[in-house]
Amino acid sequence: GAVVSQHPSWVICKSGTSVKIECRSLDFQATTMFWYRQFPKQSLMLMATSNEGSKATYEQGVEKDKFLINHASLTLSTLTVTSAHPEDSSFYICSASGRGYGYTFGSGTRLTVV
Amino acid sequence: AQTVTQSQPEMSVQEAETVTLSCTYDTSESDYYLFWYKQPPSRQMILVIRQEAYKQQNATENRFSVNFQKAAKSFSLKISDSQLGDAAMYFCAYQGANSGYALNFGKGTSLLVTP
Repeated sequence: GAVVSQHPSWVICKSGTSVKIECRSLDFQATTMFWYRQFPKQSLMLMATSNEGSKATYEQGVEKDKFLINHASLTLSTLTVTSAHPEDSSFYICSASGRGYGYTFGSGTRLTVV
Repeated sequence: AQTVTQSQPEMSVQEAETVTLSCTYDTSESDYYLFWYKQPPSRQMILVIRQEAYKQQNATENRFSVNFQKAAKSFSLKISDSQLGDAAMYFCAYQGANSGYALNFGKGTSLLVTP
């Protein structure tokens, strides 16, 4: 079946630094990647949608300069949290969609900013 | 915008019994997809079942089945012969063209399974 590898699974960083999260589709071409954020005991909230080779489309209220998304190839998308602050601490999950593959979720990244 | 409502924050079921989780949604689209996802403590999202809106027949996957009522915009999940491993958060999700085919999730229902 379709597999999406997400790394790192958890990361701790200092306030003011940047963190990059990677999502790779291992056995299919991910034409679209969705990035979600999940706070404890809450649902998944869509942050942005990216199509390979195009600029990401951000949901209302999501700062595009803070959450940089790159989808330069059909197998790799990255989310960079720039100048991270404690309020950015959360669980981030990617979901890849390819033709005929529906949706496949990564295993998520727990970000803690100290 | 489409909204997905799960009115049961928490449900409990005894092992081997049946439980139904509720989900309603609001949309102006006629063609869309509905999903139930399971999120165990590992937080990995696992697809439980999928329903195309144009199909009248309710989807079934082993012990999991749905009751899809398109006119009522209702999409409930029935878990039969509940097992301890079914304990998790369950999210109902909507997918349609108006939202760029992104999944729009409900708030979730935490399912407890007691021996």
